[in-house]
Amino acid sequence: QQQVKQSPQSLIVQKGGISIINCAYENTAFDYFPWYQQFPGKGPALLIAIRPDVSEKKEGRFTISFNKSAKQFSLHIMDSQPGDSATYFCAATYTGNQFYFGTGTSLTVIP
Amino acid sequence: NAGVTQTPKFQVLKTGQSMTLQCAQDMNHEYMSWYRQDPGMGLRLIHYSVGAGITDQGEVPNGYNVSRSTTEDFPLRLLSAAPSQTSVYFCASSQNRGQETQYFGPGTRLLVL
Repeated sequence: QQQVKQSPQSLIVQKGGISIINCAYENTAFDYFPWYQQFPGKGPALLIAIRPDVSEKKEGRFTISFNKSAKQFSLHIMDSQPGDSATYFCAATYTGNQFYFGTGTSLTVIP
Repeated sequence: NAGVTQTPKFQVLKTGQSMTLQCAQDMNHEYMSWYRQDPGMGLRLIHYSVGAGITDQGEVPNGYNVSRSTTEDFPLRLLSAAPSQTSVYFCASSQNRGQETQYFGPGTRLLVL
């Protein structure tokens, strides 16, 4: 059973547009929600993370929106660039030991 | 500072063979973990360790063994490889329990025939 459900599976966005990736979870004990970015042939790298005591976190062009009541969180990439083309994973944890990852979103930004 | 290193980069095994995937980190991190990545499945935790001598199972531990004799190294052993273990394996580490930034290695691509 997938603990974290991620959508869409793939996303194509024009350069300068907004990319939005959504994740949903069921376990209300989750207390840390990171997003990872992965380029082909590389390991994932932490992009941005949020805890459920805030509704939004912004770092540069990347923003996490968190809706605790709906048990959903999303990644927004503003002014998307071709260099943002990668696979993005959301994740969640409640013990700090076991992370549960979404199935990934392949983002393509068209010049 | 090499970060997290993994060897080999690519390996082909026959069903029933055994092998060890190596993982090392030079950041003095206490927490280390192994994931497998399969198409459409995301990353799934196999085993993790919160310090030398301490390991525990993750989401998909069957068919894999680990040990942690030093802070730096966290090898993953396949005792009898099966085609279902064909995957890309990633090792990760963080300063302490996983709520800190996890640093991933470059991965090992394993093909079991």
